[in-house]
Amino acid sequence: NAGVTQTPKFRVLKTGQSMTLLCAQDMNHEYMYWYRQDPGMGLRLIHYSVGEGTTAKGEVPDGYNVSRLKKQNFLLGLESAAPSQTSVYFCASSYSRLTINQPQHFGDGTRLSIL
Amino acid sequence: GENVEQHPSTLSVQEGDSAVIKCTYSDSASNYFPWYKQELGKGPQLIIDIRSNVGEKKDQRIAVTLNKTAKHFSLHITETQPEDSAVYFCAVRDDKIIFGKGTRLHILP
Repeated sequence: NAGVTQTPKFRVLKTGQSMTLLCAQDMNHEYMYWYRQDPGMGLRLIHYSVGEGTTAKGEVPDGYNVSRLKKQNFLLGLESAAPSQTSVYFCASSYSRLTINQPQHFGDGTRLSIL
Repeated sequence: GENVEQHPSTLSVQEGDSAVIKCTYSDSASNYFPWYKQELGKGPQLIIDIRSNVGEKKDQRIAVTLNKTAKHFSLHITETQPEDSAVYFCAVRDDKIIFGKGTRLHILP
């Protein structure tokens, strides 16, 4: 049972570089989410998707773009990385809008450092 | 928008004792309240959740209580064990899910 898989697990970038984080889920979930986790800040929602071909902004969307071309994949892009984007990024998926017995399943995170 | 406050930020309890973590929220329309456990190097994992029409839910050593009038809910862990050491997050959903800032729980031998 793979669940939610994030790649890469670690990455170091220089300021101004671009990269894409990949999230893949094998549970046929409709909803997918990208969060960032910073010390003392909990998890903050960056962008999310309620189905293939759709995306929406979360709490902290600036500096990030996303795409959901296939139902099982949700990509997070940084066009021009900044030190403030140093964080641990988590992807999650859920069958539908969150409710009892329909929880989010999280990946194990991508640790990103911007120098 | 919704605001979620979680306390304490750090909690140390003796093995075998109980631990209680509390959260308050601001939006009375919120109707779903999950709790997550995060172990080192892993993503958060749902441990228990409750809907707004229920006041209490229990699953073995873990229980959650909800007071909708006061807009607060709590996680209770009884007979704590070393494997309970982790970071715990409360969350609230109305339109989107909003997380608390987390509580680092240490179980002392």
